[in-house]
Amino acid sequence: NAGVMQNPRHLVRRRGQEARLRCSPMKGHSHVYWYRQLPEEGLKFMVYLQKENIIDESGMPKERFSAEFPKEGPSILRIQQVVRGDSAAYFCASSSGTGVRSNQPQHFGDGTRLSIL
Amino acid sequence: TQLLEQSPQFLSIQEGENLTVYCNSSSVFSSLQWYRQEPGEGPVLLVTVVTGGEVKKLKRLTFQFGDARKDSSLHITAAQPGDTGLYLCAGAWNSGYSTLTFGKGTMLLVSP
Repeated sequence: NAGVMQNPRHLVRRRGQEARLRCSPMKGHSHVYWYRQLPEEGLKFMVYLQKENIIDESGMPKERFSAEFPKEGPSILRIQQVVRGDSAAYFCASSSGTGVRSNQPQHFGDGTRLSIL
Repeated sequence: TQLLEQSPQFLSIQEGENLTVYCNSSSVFSSLQWYRQEPGEGPVLLVTVVTGGEVKKLKRLTFQFGDARKDSSLHITAAQPGDTGLYLCAGAWNSGYSTLTFGKGTMLLVSP
C-alpha cells in the first residue's frame, strides 16, 4: 500500500498520559500536514511540516502539543498530559510539494482515533 | 479567519435522483478541493479546481468552481447507494503553500 499510513488506528490513554501518533507519508512526499476532526465539526488544520522543519503551526494548541518530521522515519504528533478534550480523530496528509495552484493535492491517511479515559 | 460554509448539512435521497451540494465563502480561494469521507476512514480526494469558472467531471460527478473563485458546487447525477458518504470541500487561500480550511461537510445518504 503506497498510501499515507497512520498508526495506531485506535489509541486509548488515561488523563495525564502521553499520546504519540505516527504518520508515514506517501512515497516521494516530503510535506506532511496534521488535522484534527471532532464530532460535528470539520477537519481543523494543526501543523504543516517539511523534512526537519515546521513550516506552519498556527493551528496547534500552545501547550502540550508538538510535532516533528525527522530526516529519517515517520512524522510524530505528540500530546503530553492528555485531557478528555483531546479525544478526537487525528488525520495526517501528505503532498509531493507545495503551491496551491499546482497539481500537488493532499492525500490523507485513515486517521488515529484517540480516546481519553 | 476564512470560513467555508457547506449546504445542505444532510441530504437523504433515493437511488436514481440527482443532487447538488454547495460550498461558499466570502473570501477568494487560491484553489479548492472536494473530498469524500466514509466512516472510519480518511478523506479521499475527488477533484482539485484552481481556475474561476472551471468545470470538471468525474463519471456521474460534476464539479464547478465559481467565476469569482468564492464558491463551488458538486452535482451528482443518478445517485447510487455507493455515493453515500460525507462530502467535504476544502479551500486554500495562501498561494505560498497549501494548508487547507475545511467545511463541515454534507452527509449524503442514498437509499436503494
